[in-house]
Formats: sequence, C-alpha cells, structure tokens
Amino acid sequence: GEDVEQSLFLSVREGDSSVINCTYTDSSSTYLYWYKQEPGAGLQLLTYIFSNMDMKQDQRLTVLLNKKDKHLSLRIADTQTGDSAIYFCAESMPSGYSTLTFGKGTMLLVSP
Amino acid sequence: DVKVTQSSRYLVKRTGEKVFLECVQDMDHENMFWYRQDPGLGLRLIYFSYDVKMKEKGDIPEGYSVSREKKERFSLILESASTNQTSMYLCASSPQGSLAGANTGELFFGEGSRLTVL
Repeated sequence: GEDVEQSLFLSVREGDSSVINCTYTDSSSTYLYWYKQEPGAGLQLLTYIFSNMDMKQDQRLTVLLNKKDKHLSLRIADTQTGDSAIYFCAESMPSGYSTLTFGKGTMLLVSP
Repeated sequence: DVKVTQSSRYLVKRTGEKVFLECVQDMDHENMFWYRQDPGLGLRLIYFSYDVKMKEKGDIPEGYSVSREKKERFSLILESASTNQTSMYLCASSPQGSLAGANTGELFFGEGSRLTVL
C-alpha cells in the first residue's frame, strides 16, 4: 500500500536551516515531490526528484533521497519568514494518471 | 501563465443542500483531480478524471459525484451536503503521459474552495 509520513510541525529562527523529513512506503515510486502551501492558497510545486537520483539542489533548497530507507528530506538554507508555510511531501505511481499520494503536511514556522 | 481556477473561494451551505464546486483549467490538461484538505489529515483524493466523460473514484468518494463534460472543466457535486463535508476543496490538473518522459507528474492546483456546511 501507499503511505507517506511527515512530522506535523517545525519551528526555526530566521537565518537558520530547516530540514523537513518524509518517509514513504512504495518502492515503485517514480518521482517524489515537495509542495508548498501558503496560508489561504493552493499548493505550489517547490521541487521534485526522480527516483534514480540521490540529491537535487536548487538555490536554497536541497532534496536528499535515500531509497534504501525510503526517506526524503527537504533542506531550506537561510530560512526566511516568507518560508513559513505547510510543506507536503508526495510520491507518484508509475501510471499515466499522475495520481499522487500526499503526506499530511509539515507546518514550518519561521520566527524573526 | 498556467491557471487552475476554482469558481468560489468561500461557500456557506445548509445541511441537505446540493452543492456544486466548479474548476476550470486553461492548460489543455487531460487529467483533473478533486482533493479535500482537513487539518491533521492532509490531502485526500475524492475523484479524478483522465478524459472527458471519464471518472475514477479516489480514496474517499462517498457522498460526492463529479462531472467532466468538457476537457477544461471538472465539477464536484455534493448531492446532499452534510456537516462532515465542511472542508477545503482543492482542484488540480496535470497533462497525460508517461512519468518517465517530459511529464514529471506535477499537479497544478487551484486556490481552493472553503466550504462550510451548517
């Protein structure tokens, strides 16, 4: 079956690094994603990683994938107050319908 | 700029009313989805559609139906609204195709419709 787990809450100070963790259960996942949801808004894709990669870096964002442990993490360097949001981890199944399974979301609170 | 538009940001309905939530996308995407989002439960898939007039049940279809008469429009219908359907409803779309190709499987989301059923 499919299940994606993440911690529900993370609080950091502005300027620190944030690390949001996620575990998934389906080893046939093709892509893994991080989505960001700001208050009162829909979800926006932040970044994604293909399952044959170990790491992906995009400016302040670093995604690490450990396929053996089925563990995905998102590191945000130099976290800003504008990064305060809910972050969702999601995995895709290898089908043409792009059905994603989402975690429950991690609320990141960045204090000045 | 690509866009998924949900017609109502906020709705208040009474128990037993019929509710229509409309979603339109301008990206010519084949796939469209309805999720509901609840605190502590994350996003749960209600229904999705991979083509006009086609629909598939998601994880929690009970109490809902959908309509896809045109490619760009996907409607969620609550035949008789109940208080436990108070939630944030999110529509999304994506292009069809193999995830191993150019299509990364990314979903494009609307801003959400917050429904309160009294």
